[in-house]
Amino acid sequence: DTEVTQTPKHLVMGMTNKKSLKCEQHMGHRAMYWYKQKAKKPPELMFVYSYEKLSINESVPSRFSPECPNSSLLNLHLHALQPEDSALYLCASSQKPQFGGTGELFFGEGSRLTVL
Amino acid sequence: DAKTTQPNSMESNEEEPVHLPCNHSTISGTDYIHWYRQLPSQGPEYVIHGLTSNVNNRMASLAIAEDRKSSTLILHRATLRDAAVYYCILRFSAAGNKLTFGGGTRVLVKP
Repeated sequence: DTEVTQTPKHLVMGMTNKKSLKCEQHMGHRAMYWYKQKAKKPPELMFVYSYEKLSINESVPSRFSPECPNSSLLNLHLHALQPEDSALYLCASSQKPQFGGTGELFFGEGSRLTVL
Repeated sequence: DAKTTQPNSMESNEEEPVHLPCNHSTISGTDYIHWYRQLPSQGPEYVIHGLTSNVNNRMASLAIAEDRKSSTLILHRATLRDAAVYYCILRFSAAGNKLTFGGGTRVLVKP
């Protein structure tokens, strides 16, 4: 199983709603990531979890709250979002948090979020 | 963070080779060069990576300049399925687990 599964594939929410995006992998990977991608732009790193602990937060607004309950699961909790937060949210995982130049990232297909 | 520069777009004919250049003049000695591609409506997928020597795998070849300030991804025989955005990325061994995407090259393959 070399898949990263993201749910839901599409989400529409109002600015006062609270919702969550979910990401799951069963490859035994110990690093997981959230990226945000606007239309026709490259993915932008948001968060990195290493061994279930938050290791990188790229100054993301607090209305995005990540959570890693176990080594297979990564959530992104959304609250009081703005219309400009509408984007494709990509989850990825890699085998090892520590670097060596290897550590291929496996990406999911993304959750497309629309904030009204 | 060291940056990469790629052409915005390239066109190729089907079954012909495609050479995708990437400039990374501020690369440091411990930065690895990674390539990912993103097909329409999909997440990025790993293509290849290298440090100093040229690399080959089933998807592509990576040619790295001797001074490491540039590299070229080579798709040996383009197919329609290779139409995608190709990202050249420097992965910093000293910066934790960051993979920061640059602008990418949109490849169009014509039948």
